[in-house]
Amino acid sequence: DSGVTQTPKHLITATGQRVTLRCSPRSGDLSVYWYQQSLDQGLQFLIQYYNGEERAKGNILERFSAQQFPDLHSELNLSSLELGDSALYFCASSVIGTGGFNEQFFGPGTRLTVL
Amino acid sequence: DAKTTQPPSMDCAEGRAANLPCNHSTISGNEYVYWYRQIHSQGPQYIIHGLKNNETNEMASLIITEDRKSSTLILPHATLRDTAVYYCIVRVVNQGGKLIFGQGTELSVKP
Repeated sequence: DSGVTQTPKHLITATGQRVTLRCSPRSGDLSVYWYQQSLDQGLQFLIQYYNGEERAKGNILERFSAQQFPDLHSELNLSSLELGDSALYFCASSVIGTGGFNEQFFGPGTRLTVL
Repeated sequence: DAKTTQPPSMDCAEGRAANLPCNHSTISGNEYVYWYRQIHSQGPQYIIHGLKNNETNEMASLIITEDRKSSTLILPHATLRDTAVYYCIVRVVNQGGKLIFGQGTELSVKP
């Protein structure tokens, strides 16, 4: 158990819908990262937040957005869903946001299926 | 894009050492080498990291060549539970904490 929790574990929805994925980082971790893992793209970094502020952005679609709240939990919002958004979405957390050493602890993931 | 190259798959006999190679010929002087693994569809798990010296922890050893252009992750006594995809990652220091995953090596430990 990494200490990172993600809800829900599974999510099945229809095209065009909007969903929210939730992540609670390990106690004391200030950074939260979101990754997407699909069969054809592998593990891709989406976005990072550090202490409530966006720190880095990766291949995140404009239909996707995220935020980190004062209690440090984070939510990833996916809207206008398409079939290709079906994937595993992982959240990870770490103590610090930059620097040479940055061990990230990953949650169990949310499996999103868009029908 | 990932800055590392790994063989797509490897086999290892249970109880033997598993040596997983990684090439990172364009690594910069202040970039670290990280290894993570992903068992089935679970979240990736940190294994070990290093800058230029060899490192060892309870899970594995990391051997980095003197020119830092390649490294080897060693699982000294592989078990069936070590069957996973192993990712070698070079940390891009100035682009935040993100990890850029390549395709990794799928290690199959066989009885």
